[in-house]
Amino acid sequence: DTGVSQDPRHKITKRGQNVTFRCDPISEHNRLYWYRQTLGQGPEFLTYFQNEAQLEKSRLLSDRFSAERPKGSFSTLEIQRTEQGDSAMYLCASSLTASANYGYTFGSGTRLTVV
Amino acid sequence: KQEVTQIPAALSVPEGENLVLNCSFTDSAIYNLQWFRQDPGKGLTSLLLIQSSQREQTSGRLNASLDKSSGRSTLYIAASQPGDSATYLCAGFYNQAGTALIFGKGTTLSVSS
Repeated sequence: DTGVSQDPRHKITKRGQNVTFRCDPISEHNRLYWYRQTLGQGPEFLTYFQNEAQLEKSRLLSDRFSAERPKGSFSTLEIQRTEQGDSAMYLCASSLTASANYGYTFGSGTRLTVV
Repeated sequence: KQEVTQIPAALSVPEGENLVLNCSFTDSAIYNLQWFRQDPGKGLTSLLLIQSSQREQTSGRLNASLDKSSGRSTLYIAASQPGDSATYLCAGFYNQAGTALIFGKGTTLSVSS
């Protein structure tokens, strides 16, 4: 297992289009997190899953955003009707339960540019 | 409100210098703290995780400390190298479950040869 994988690395899309990102966590990690990072800022929490259950969503996650983790393995984050304000780096992380004791492992991120 | 602050926002040093990056947090109820490195346009690489029962952690040329009473953590980098140039982020866990990880904005370090 080589770590957390995210695909694609970069995505350029026109405003109003839908985009979907994928995250493959470390196989034995049951928790998966999505964060968003804009230029010059630290990552901000969007949502997290324990196995296949989505347990928490940030108020940053508007109705245009949806995340899934079918079968508790990989996860997808979809943004519908993209806006220029959605341009950011989308980071995925995974961890074992009791994450504070083990820390997070992040992927390389997907950079979204909405034009 | 739980906030994590990193000062300075940017730091430039010559190669070989020892340096300290600072991280402060508003809520002493922080559980653990994790330091990350981020290269331009890349994801986050974990450097050190300090648990609340520990005062410090060391990995190679890096040493991180945590003082909950003063609300501060420091990352010490010994004998800096140009390859250390990156943004360093600290993040606090505010519960054991690790579902509330609050990040600072980072300190961008530039080490010149």
